[in-house]
Amino acid sequence: GQQLNQSPQSMFIQEGEDVSMNCTSSSIFNTWLWYKQDPGEGPVLLIALYKAGELTSNGRLTAQFGITRKDSFLNISASIPSDVGIYFCAGLKGSQGNLIFGKGTKLSVKP
Amino acid sequence: NAGVTQTPKFQVLKTGQSMTLQCAQDMNHNSMYWYRQDPGMGLRLIYYSASEGTTDKGEVPNGYNVSRLNKREFSLRLESAAPSQTSVYFCASSDRVGNTIYFGEGSWLTVV
Repeated sequence: GQQLNQSPQSMFIQEGEDVSMNCTSSSIFNTWLWYKQDPGEGPVLLIALYKAGELTSNGRLTAQFGITRKDSFLNISASIPSDVGIYFCAGLKGSQGNLIFGKGTKLSVKP
Repeated sequence: NAGVTQTPKFQVLKTGQSMTLQCAQDMNHNSMYWYRQDPGMGLRLIYYSASEGTTDKGEVPNGYNVSRLNKREFSLRLESAAPSQTSVYFCASSDRVGNTIYFGEGSWLTVV
């Protein structure tokens, strides 16, 4: 099946540090989405990217749609304990296709 | 803001039992989805319904059936549960296939 390679799989960082994670694919995507999942909850949309090169921020979160359309990254600045969770990237190839999800990056923040 | 609501939240089944997971959305979305989430596997699409009256297989449809009862509701049925179906199940919806999807809070299913 189609794959998105998301890395890293997990991160254990100190509060206040910046975080970076990314997703890559061998295929071109038209849309990139980033979701966060808190323990015991469903994924919640953080940022949606629709154009190659697009850089979008949502508070301390910044995500970019790669120029090649084959990758995307998510940065979190000045991490806080509530940033803990699993972050998923998701890509969409066309207007009629379904989203393809990465396997997630588990973020742990040490106070 | 109800969004996507799914029930039950938790369920334990014996192997061979059947059950139906219910899902409803109040966002007037056309498309609905069922995913399962397993450790290290991410979210995998089981079935989806692009619009009322249609259903299609996703990545892992075996052992499941779905019904798009109306525009609001999309149910997932396990006819004969197996331990391999122990998972967390998420219902989701979107305005249409290809648009951003919104998830329910999940249903934790254990098959013993």
